[in-house]
Amino acid sequence: AQSVTQLGSHVSVSEGALVLLRCNYSSSVPPYLFWYVQYPNQGLQLLLKYTSAATLVKGINGFEAEFKKSETSFHLTKPSAHMSDAAEYFCAVSDKNTGRRALTFGSGTRLQVQP
Amino acid sequence: DTGVSQDPRHKITKRGQNVTFRCDPISEHNRLYWYRQTLGQGPEFLTYFQNEAQLEKSRLLSDRFSAERPKGSFSTLEIQRTEQGDSAMYLCASSLLQGDEQYFGPGTRLTVT
Repeated sequence: AQSVTQLGSHVSVSEGALVLLRCNYSSSVPPYLFWYVQYPNQGLQLLLKYTSAATLVKGINGFEAEFKKSETSFHLTKPSAHMSDAAEYFCAVSDKNTGRRALTFGSGTRLQVQP
Repeated sequence: DTGVSQDPRHKITKRGQNVTFRCDPISEHNRLYWYRQTLGQGPEFLTYFQNEAQLEKSRLLSDRFSAERPKGSFSTLEIQRTEQGDSAMYLCASSLLQGDEQYFGPGTRLTVT
């Protein structure tokens, strides 16, 4: 079964600093990979996805992620944090090999942005 | 495109009562998913439909849970004889048949007292 590990349940950065949220997956075949953001008491919004095209994926709100097969990683970055980026971020995978579309999520990383 | 909608947004019920939630997916989306999210955790898959057919159910979906999508449009999730452990956010998502992206609704927060 696939699994996703998000290192760091809480990350705090200063406004304007680099944001780095880590995600590692376990799968013998590279899966589809997603990053979602969740604001308090809301559903999830898709930030970006990797589906085997370019390894560097650009998403909304200035976020991007790089797929590294050798490291089984899909870390999310943003060059300069904004106060509005404070939220919970989830990495998720689905199985490209079987075509099963159900998402398996990591446990999330709460991003705090300090003024 | 009005997005995925869920009703109600909040539900408080007493243990032992039955509850039903509704999800209206994006109109042209064939696939509909239900997830459950407990505090401090990522969403966990419960079940999914392709049109009106329920194609997969998680082992998390005990016998007290049932989901339907009778006409391939909206879906309902019913929990019978609710328990305190059922307290969670129930999220619905939809996608195109060939799509990788799932679009989520705002969720229904269930509190069982």
